[in-house]
Amino acid sequence: GAVVSQHPSRVICKSGTSVKIECRSLDFQATTMFWYRQFPKQSLMLMATSNEGSKATYEQGVEKDKFLINHASLTLSTLTVTSAHPEDSSFYICSARAGGGRIGELFFGEGSRLTVL
Amino acid sequence: AQKITQTQPGMFVQEKEAVTLDCTYDTSDPSYGLFWYKQPSSGEMIFLIYQGSYDQQNATEGRYSLNFQKARKSANLVISASQLGDSAMYFCAMREGPPSGGGNKLTFGTGTQLKVEL
Repeated sequence: GAVVSQHPSRVICKSGTSVKIECRSLDFQATTMFWYRQFPKQSLMLMATSNEGSKATYEQGVEKDKFLINHASLTLSTLTVTSAHPEDSSFYICSARAGGGRIGELFFGEGSRLTVL
Repeated sequence: AQKITQTQPGMFVQEKEAVTLDCTYDTSDPSYGLFWYKQPSSGEMIFLIYQGSYDQQNATEGRYSLNFQKARKSANLVISASQLGDSAMYFCAMREGPPSGGGNKLTFGTGTQLKVEL
């Protein structure tokens, strides 16, 4: 079946550094990918919609200069957390639709747990 | 108003018993889809079942069934014959509008932590 892969699964960084998270669709092309953020024991909150070949669409309240999204190819979207601070520590998870089918089902990556010291 | 409401932060069920996880939704769009995902402690989101707003019958997928009551705007998940491996967080989610080719964003509820006991 369709698989979405994220890398790295865990990252620890110092405050002020930038961290890049990759989201790949392994056996299908994804014109659109979605980036979610999940705090411990909370729900998934949509951060942005990543569109191949164009600018990402950010949800209200999400800083686009803080969370840079690049969807350079049909199988890869990257999220870069710039100048990370401890409050950016969270679980980041991407998703994509495989295309076809009637239900618009999204497949999710394994998630990336970011800890900023 | 919350678009997806899950009122049960935690549920316990004995192994082999059935359990119902509640979900209510709010939308004015006539076309929408309702999803249930399972999130084990590892963090991955596992798709379980889907119900479209125009589907006449309740969705079923193995031990999972969705009790869709459109007038009440509820989409409860029923897990039959619970297993220890069912212990996880369960999220209800909604897509508003018809499915688009590129994919639609989903709005998630706050989740229900299910614990299956011996």
